Amino acid sequence: QVQVVESGGGVVQPGRSLRLSCAASGFRFSDYGMHWVRQAPGKGLEWVSYISYDGINQYYADSVRGRFTISRDNSKNTLYLQMNSLRPEDTALYYCAKNRGYGDYEPFDYWGQGTVVTVSS
Amino acid sequence: DIQMTQSPSSLSGSVGDRITISCRASQTIYNYLNWYQQKPGRAPTLLIYAASTLQSGVPTRFSGSGFGTDFTLTITSLQPDDFATYYCQQSSTTHRSFGPGTKVDI
Repeated sequence: QVQVVESGGGVVQPGRSLRLSCAASGFRFSDYGMHWVRQAPGKGLEWVSYISYDGINQYYADSVRGRFTISRDNSKNTLYLQMNSLRPEDTALYYCAKNRGYGDYEPFDYWGQGTVVTVSS
Repeated sequence: DIQMTQSPSSLSGSVGDRITISCRASQTIYNYLNWYQQKPGRAPTLLIYAASTLQSGVPTRFSGSGFGTDFTLTITSLQPDDFATYYCQQSSTTHRSFGPGTKVDI
């Protein structure tokens, strides 16, 4: 069955870096675009970033552009989010999510359980 | 970027009620509108995509409609399992955006 499992969260000081991973299984990872979505405590969902199936195209929310980098290793079925210059407002539960279909404009049909990032001094 | 709004922000219902949640986009998104359900402590799940297509396994009491900028999620007979927060999301651009959510409680 399809699974996406996030890891790499933790407590980090403002200005520091963290790398999240998302291990995928149960589907042909290299065929699907993937996303990162975050949810601050008690708040709604915020889309963070998208990477196309082949890794060529990446897109970012304005709130993270220039600080976060999305990437993927299709040989390892793994999605990454490199987060630099972290701010307290980046504190959230970070989900990875899979596109439902092969295109770029798909809904998200599978989500992981998330990994918590806390930015605090 | 496309902004999404939802109304109401919360609503109280009873088992068996018919409820409607509205979602509006700041510009046309054609039918690139999706609905998700999120229960406390859980990841969101896809209910409806392309405005009106039910995701596999989702009960038929859920339905969606709309095109362009205005969309609706309807639950025809509210069940205990439906008490949750519902989010709309546009997928008409590579920069996705979600509505602020509608919390449905008892």
